[in-house]
Order: sequence, then C-alpha cells, then structure tokens
Amino acid sequence: GDSVTQMEGPVTLSEEAFLTINCTYTATGYPSLFWYVQYPGEGLQLLLKATKADDKGSNKGFEATYRKETTSFHLEKGSVQVSDSAVYFCAFYSSASKIIFGSGTRLSIRP
Amino acid sequence: EAGVAQSPRYKIIEKRQSVAFWCNPISGHATLYWYQQILGQGPKLLIQFQNNGVVDDSQLPKDRFSAERLKGVDSTLKIQPAKLEDSAVYLCASSFAGIRDPEQYFGPGTRLTVT
Repeated sequence: GDSVTQMEGPVTLSEEAFLTINCTYTATGYPSLFWYVQYPGEGLQLLLKATKADDKGSNKGFEATYRKETTSFHLEKGSVQVSDSAVYFCAFYSSASKIIFGSGTRLSIRP
Repeated sequence: EAGVAQSPRYKIIEKRQSVAFWCNPISGHATLYWYQQILGQGPKLLIQFQNNGVVDDSQLPKDRFSAERLKGVDSTLKIQPAKLEDSAVYLCASSFAGIRDPEQYFGPGTRLTVT
C-alpha cells in the first residue's frame, strides 16, 4: 500500500552544517511529492513540493529532487541555521486523493 | 489573510468522557480535513469534507468519532466515549476545491490527553 519512509530522528547538527533527510515512498504511479515543516508551537506548513519526475522543489534554502528511479525525495540544505529546528515530514498525494505522511524527522540545530 | 483556527488548543479528559473540537477554515476554502497525529507519527486523515458533504471518512472510527460541517464553513469533531489511545494532536486543514493536488493549510492543532 501507499507509504512513506523517512529518516528517523532526532537529527542534531551544528549551525552551518550540511543537512540531508532521506525520504522514500511507495505509491501507485507518479504522485506529487511534498516536504512539510512543523516549527515548535505552530501548525504544519508546506515547505516545498515537486509534481513530476526530475523536478526540484526549493524554498528557504531547502531543496529536494523528485527521483522516479529510486522513488526518493531527499531534503537537503547547504548551511542550516538554529531557526531551522523543527519537525520535517515527507509526504505525497496518493491516487485516492489524500496526503500520505511519513512519521517525521525532528531536527535540532546547535548554535 | 487569517489562517485556520482551532480550539481548544489543549484538552485533558478521562476515558469514557466526551470531547469536541472546533475548526474554522480559511475563508473561501471549500475543502476541510481532520487529521489525527499520534506522538511520533505523521498525521493520518480522519475525514475530508467538500463544502458540507463528506468526501472520505474511511479512516474515521465511526463507533466513537463523529464530525460535521454545517453550512460548509466551520466544523466540529467529536469523540464519545474517549479511549486512552485517542490521546493525540487533532489537526484541521483546509484547501481550495477543484485544484489537482491542492496545498493544504493547517491549523495549530488541539492536543488531547485521555487519562
């Protein structure tokens, strides 16, 4: 069935470090892919998305590329900041017209 | 633009009691969603409305959960009676209708603790 597998957390990095959070999915066809972020005390918000193979979504210095061959959508950022501390969710839009979320990865950035 | 509003933000009840959550979506958004997010897991869709009609409630435990969206705007989600395993954050989201893969806007959630 439809599912998302993402890197388990927590992930702790120092400021300005390089970030990768791995995400793979199992789905029918080629769904739209998303990364959502949940900052402390706030609601989920869309960080970036990609709608077809080889698309690159980007926002706030984060990037993720839709890799059809490996069914992956890894999140990357070249230099993280303390303000990036949050929980990150990989997700996709399923053939049943609903969003399927991964379990989330908590990211903590040390000053 | 005002975001999705939810209340209360926190609720603590004993098992077998009842509880209700309220959601006010973004103005003009015809589609409304309720999600359950158990600690350490991603959100799971409970029910989806388009205007005041139910589109999908396949994962709603209908023996104890109910939801309504009268007049196609505000919505309430009720649990009666609550069980310990219902402890979770209940998220409401809304989106425009009629758009493929619409962006969903989430409220801050209601954290429910059942003791």
